[in-house]
Amino acid sequence: QVQLVESGGGLVKPGGSLRLSCAASGFTFSDYYMSWIRQAPGKGLEWVSYISSSGSTIYYADSVKGRFTISRDNAKNSLYLQMNSLRAEDTAVYYCARVGKMPTIGYYFDYWGQGTLVTVSS
Amino acid sequence: QSVLAQPPSVSGAPGQRVTISCTGSSSNIGARYDVHWYQQLPGTAPKLLIYGNSNRPSGVPDRFSGSKSGTSASLAITGLQAEDEADYYCQSYDSSLSGYVFGTGTKVTVL
Repeated sequence: QVQLVESGGGLVKPGGSLRLSCAASGFTFSDYYMSWIRQAPGKGLEWVSYISSSGSTIYYADSVKGRFTISRDNAKNSLYLQMNSLRAEDTAVYYCARVGKMPTIGYYFDYWGQGTLVTVSS
Repeated sequence: QSVLAQPPSVSGAPGQRVTISCTGSSSNIGARYDVHWYQQLPGTAPKLLIYGNSNRPSGVPDRFSGSKSGTSASLAITGLQAEDEADYYCQSYDSSLSGYVFGTGTKVTVL
């Protein structure tokens, strides 16, 4: 069965950096686009970034552009999010999600990990 | 800042039918981008409920149905059950933002 397991979250000071990882199993990782989505405490969902199956196509939300970098290692079945210049408003649970493959106009996210909490505070 | 508006809460008795609206604009739902729905049970990760406006992934009960018209979409839950108490989010793509957007979220309460 599809499994996505995030790690790397924690407490970091404003301006600091953190690298999140997502270990994928139960499917052919290299065949799928992947995404990061976050949820601030008690708030709604916010799409952060996605990366194509080969890594050649990447998009970011304006709120993280220039500060966050998404990447993947298909040999290790892993997805990453390097977060720099962190701000208090980046505090959230970060979910790794697989992009669905059924033909739709615009992507959707068919499997999600359990999430990892990132807290930005001094 | 969510560009897809949902009612904060809806409620219904067991067995009743409830609907959740998702109102967008000409740069997202009205621009023919599909709408997808997610269910988030308390303390858990979101789960895909409906994709491509009205399609259910395998394992999702047929009590859940979705539709889209113009700049809006709806999720209907028929035969409401206690286990349906959760937050529900719609999602689409916005061409003005060049990114994926989620609705504000709706909490469903079973009375």
